[in-house]
Amino acid sequence: AQKVTQAQTEISVVEKEDVTLDCVYETRDTTYYLFWYKQPPSGELVFLIRRNSFDEQNEISGRYSWNFQKSTSSFNFTITASQVVDSAVYFCALSEANTGNQFYFGTGTSLTVIP
Amino acid sequence: GAVVSQHPSWVICKSGTSVKIECRSLDFQATTMFWYRQFPKQSLMLMATSNEGSKATYEQGVEKDKFLINHASLTLSTLTVTSAHPEDSSFYICSATTPGLPYEQYFGPGTRLTVT
Repeated sequence: AQKVTQAQTEISVVEKEDVTLDCVYETRDTTYYLFWYKQPPSGELVFLIRRNSFDEQNEISGRYSWNFQKSTSSFNFTITASQVVDSAVYFCALSEANTGNQFYFGTGTSLTVIP
Repeated sequence: GAVVSQHPSWVICKSGTSVKIECRSLDFQATTMFWYRQFPKQSLMLMATSNEGSKATYEQGVEKDKFLINHASLTLSTLTVTSAHPEDSSFYICSATTPGLPYEQYFGPGTRLTVT
């Protein structure tokens, strides 16, 4: 079973629009960590955020914000006022304390921001 | 801090030859390193987990004799693709964890392998 589901395979938005990337996870652990990474065409993964299971506070960093809801097992990522430089593949990942902190990656969402 | 490098960043080799990819933690000691493979338009797939001084643990379906992993020191792990074939062409990414933050993986920039 897929532990991390990113249902949106590809998204296209026009520059300055807001866009939300969905991430739904599955775990039985009480201690776990959720991550978002950006992968531009160069291929290098860029770390965006880490959240632990005990911290449900939403976070905002510039144009980026994250909504963590344990009740729905979701960790969604919103980009406000999107820019062309935001075009990339975005991965959500889960790490569980009881499985040696192995990372489980979602299938990724390819975001294209059209100028 | 927590920088991971990979060398080479890209490599082209002929079918049947072997190629070695290095993964180094530059400013920390990595107790555990992971190797991933990523095909175009796909997610990262974990190939193996290696701990310094011990044999790597391979994921199901990954041939250990084909993908040799050596984690000889706390700052270096190598992946050798033996007798490479065109289907081995992929993007290989390593990551490392520190003793103090086992849940955090620091990723290398990746190595693009093309087998002709």
